[in-house]
Amino acid sequence: GAVVSQHPSWVICKSGTSVKIECRSLDFQATTMFWYRQFPKQSLMLMATSNEGSKATYEQGVEKDKFLINHASLTLSTLTVTSAHPEDSSFYICSASSVSRETQYFGPGTRLLVL
Amino acid sequence: GNSVTQMEGPVTLSEEAFLTINCTYTATGYPSLFWYVQYPGEGLQLLLKATKADDKGSNKGFEATYRKETTSFHLEKGSVQVSDSAVYFCALSKGQGAQKLVFGQGTRLTINP
Repeated sequence: GAVVSQHPSWVICKSGTSVKIECRSLDFQATTMFWYRQFPKQSLMLMATSNEGSKATYEQGVEKDKFLINHASLTLSTLTVTSAHPEDSSFYICSASSVSRETQYFGPGTRLLVL
Repeated sequence: GNSVTQMEGPVTLSEEAFLTINCTYTATGYPSLFWYVQYPGEGLQLLLKATKADDKGSNKGFEATYRKETTSFHLEKGSVQVSDSAVYFCALSKGQGAQKLVFGQGTRLTINP
């Protein structure tokens, strides 16, 4: 299967600061990347879908001004949590795919703790 | 809308026991169905999939059959191992690859030696 990495794997920040999470597809060109949020012992909730070179499509209830997504190349997408607050603390997971792939390939996740 | 419902966990079994994790779905049309596994500290991995009715997906001793009449995709394994301990997610999408996935709530499985 394909390899997707995320960086950092965990981050602690102060309330009000911004945090950037990177998602990279290491061995294939990902025309589409997805960002998910996973709460403890709960399922993954899709936040947004981003296509390379286009604006991200956000799911209902996700604030696009708070969760900035950039997909500038076929191997990199970034999620920036702006003015983070404690309720933004969560596990953020990205996945990458393309039309020809059978499925999405998931990164290992980034754990964010906002103090 | 599309949705996936899994049996609630956690599930605890002894090694070599038979495993069933139930999954039912609600969707318009003919979705593709998936089982993903998340081992501790790792990202989700595709375990198996089925793209049309009566298809059987299989991998690593796990099987699941796409049952359109009962809108189900139950995961089974005849003899589980300690290494199967993980969280299992059932999911659907309206296509392959770049299509959105809708996940069930996940079932935590623990296998005791």
